[in-house]
Amino acid sequence: DAGVTQSPTHLIKTRGQQVTLRCSPKSGHDTVSWYQQALGQGPQFIFQYYEEEERQRGNFPDRFSGHQFPNYSSELNVNALLLGDSALYLCASSLGSDRGRRGYTFGSGTRLTVV
Amino acid sequence: AQRVTQPEKLLSVFKGAPVELKCNYSYSGSPELFWYVQYSRQRLQLLLRHISRESIKGFTADLNKGETSFHLKKPFAQEEDSAMYYCALLNNAGNMLTFGGGTRLMVKP
Repeated sequence: DAGVTQSPTHLIKTRGQQVTLRCSPKSGHDTVSWYQQALGQGPQFIFQYYEEEERQRGNFPDRFSGHQFPNYSSELNVNALLLGDSALYLCASSLGSDRGRRGYTFGSGTRLTVV
Repeated sequence: AQRVTQPEKLLSVFKGAPVELKCNYSYSGSPELFWYVQYSRQRLQLLLRHISRESIKGFTADLNKGETSFHLKKPFAQEEDSAMYYCALLNNAGNMLTFGGGTRLMVKP
């Protein structure tokens, strides 16, 4: 089992551009959450997708949007990139039926640099 | 709103010494708390959950609702315990996990 896989691993974008990050959950998991981790800080919750719908959203602007596909994989889109969007973006998967109580499985992240 | 605070950015101890990583939380509902760990060059992984009341790698954590704390403890630190530790709070709906800022534990030989 490959666990949670994220692509790409690294990305450099210019201010104002748009970016799409991808995540495949661990086998058997149906829920995907996205986190932003700035240097030296803990992960900050962006949103969670379950049954192809956004179920909860953190304190992030509408520039951040997402999607979940029927195979449970997910995308995170960020429009109009700002320098402050530079961070490690983590994807975490879990099983919706246990409501996260067994813990989340994390991917290794996508390092986004905005120049 | 839910919040998790880890007051220590860095904790340095000698091998064999006791370790306590502090975590305080703020949540109006019934809290479910976790400790996650990130070893060097590895991804973030679950260490333990308060609801299971288990000991993992010699670590334990007790939920104290009166003090709104969930401190992580180990009686005798090992060098391989050196890592970044994050305390996290799951909301009642189970759809949002809030992390603290993390504590880097360094165990010196």
